[in-house]
Amino acid sequence: TQLLEQSPQFLSIQEGENLTVYCNSSSVFSSLQWYRQEPGEGPVLLVTVVTGGEVKKLKRLTFQFGDARKDSSLHITAAQPGDTGLYLCAGSPGYSTLTFGKGTMLLVSP
Amino acid sequence: GAGVSQSPSNKVTEKGKDVELRCDPISGHTALYWYRQSLGQGLEFLIYFQGNSAPDKSGLPSDRFSAERTGGSVSTLTIQRTQQEDSAVYLCASSPPGGSGGTYNEQFFGPGTRLTVL
Repeated sequence: TQLLEQSPQFLSIQEGENLTVYCNSSSVFSSLQWYRQEPGEGPVLLVTVVTGGEVKKLKRLTFQFGDARKDSSLHITAAQPGDTGLYLCAGSPGYSTLTFGKGTMLLVSP
Repeated sequence: GAGVSQSPSNKVTEKGKDVELRCDPISGHTALYWYRQSLGQGLEFLIYFQGNSAPDKSGLPSDRFSAERTGGSVSTLTIQRTQQEDSAVYLCASSPPGGSGGTYNEQFFGPGTRLTVL
């Protein structure tokens, strides 16, 4: 079973701060995705990374895929209350199912 | 609608009763997934349908759980003789065919059904 460990489990910060959350595995994934889930809703896809060492930017969010395709990070610059939510990483070993981490719960206070 | 829809949004049932949860995927999406999310836990894979292929049932936790997908579209997840540990949010997701944005198994989720077993 391929496992994805996310850290930290919970993060509470003030508006304007920067933060990084991590997603680590001992397994190699062909691609890795990040989702954000808000209370009462399903996860929404933010980004997919597929190449080792790849960096993708989505406004204030920067996603990086490790060179060995076993880990990933999400960096948020100048966090805003609207960034509050559960951030989930999910790895795909191929083209069927995804393995999800347990997520990082982010709370950004005004 | 444009997105994945699920019904009901909330379901409260008594222990021992059967429940059916429904998922309407995005039109044209060939893959459909069911997950379970418990408080403080990530998404637990339950079952996966891809086109007309036999479903991947490897995540179903017991034989009380089953799912069908009719006509390659709507899916129903059935839980028989519900137990209190079945209480969770059940999420459905769909993916487009590979080579049309779905090559990397990008999934589009519904809002979920919150199941409470008393």
